[in-house]
Amino acid sequence: KQEVTQIPAALSVPEGENLVLNCSFTDSAIYNLQWFRQDPGKGLTSLLLIQSSQREQTSGRLNASLDKSSGRSTLYIAASQPGDSATYLCAVGGNKLVFGAGTILRVKS
Amino acid sequence: GAGVSQTPSNKVTEKGKYVELRCDPISGHTALYWYRQSLGQGPEFLIYFQGTGAADDSGLPNDRFFAVRPEGSVSTLKIQRTERGDSAVYLCASSLGPRATEAFFGQGTRLTVV
Repeated sequence: KQEVTQIPAALSVPEGENLVLNCSFTDSAIYNLQWFRQDPGKGLTSLLLIQSSQREQTSGRLNASLDKSSGRSTLYIAASQPGDSATYLCAVGGNKLVFGAGTILRVKS
Repeated sequence: GAGVSQTPSNKVTEKGKYVELRCDPISGHTALYWYRQSLGQGPEFLIYFQGTGAADDSGLPNDRFFAVRPEGSVSTLKIQRTERGDSAVYLCASSLGPRATEAFFGQGTRLTVV
């Protein structure tokens, strides 16, 4: 059974810092890995999708990497801003997405 | 529509009542998923449709939960004899196809059973 763990559970940083969110998964037989953002009381917004054959994806200040063999992914956020404050969820995809519990990020101005 | 639409956005019901939650996926998306999210946790898988058929319903917690997608587009999640433990946010997602394609989520339905 696939299990996804996200570390840290919560993170508070001053504006402008670069930061890394970690995601690990137990079964490396995945099709893709997707990072989402969730604002309080809202649905999930897709940030980045990495296919199993890829090593990383970039979108603006976000960069996600995937090491399938070790069961790890990282989401790197450059020059963090208060508007980045949200919960970040990692999900691994087979026939369905299996989610971690998320990292709650607070960027202080 | 432009995105996945879920109605209602909020639903309060009494214990023991029947509820229906609706999901309207992105046009052309053949795969549709239902998830349930409790406070402070990640979404948990309930059921996955590919077209009209339920390809995987292994996440449905018990036989009070049922979902349909009769024409391969709109889906309805049905909960009978609701219990307070059913209170959660129910999320729907759709994708172009199964597996390697990107999933897009709706805003969710917050169900409260009192």
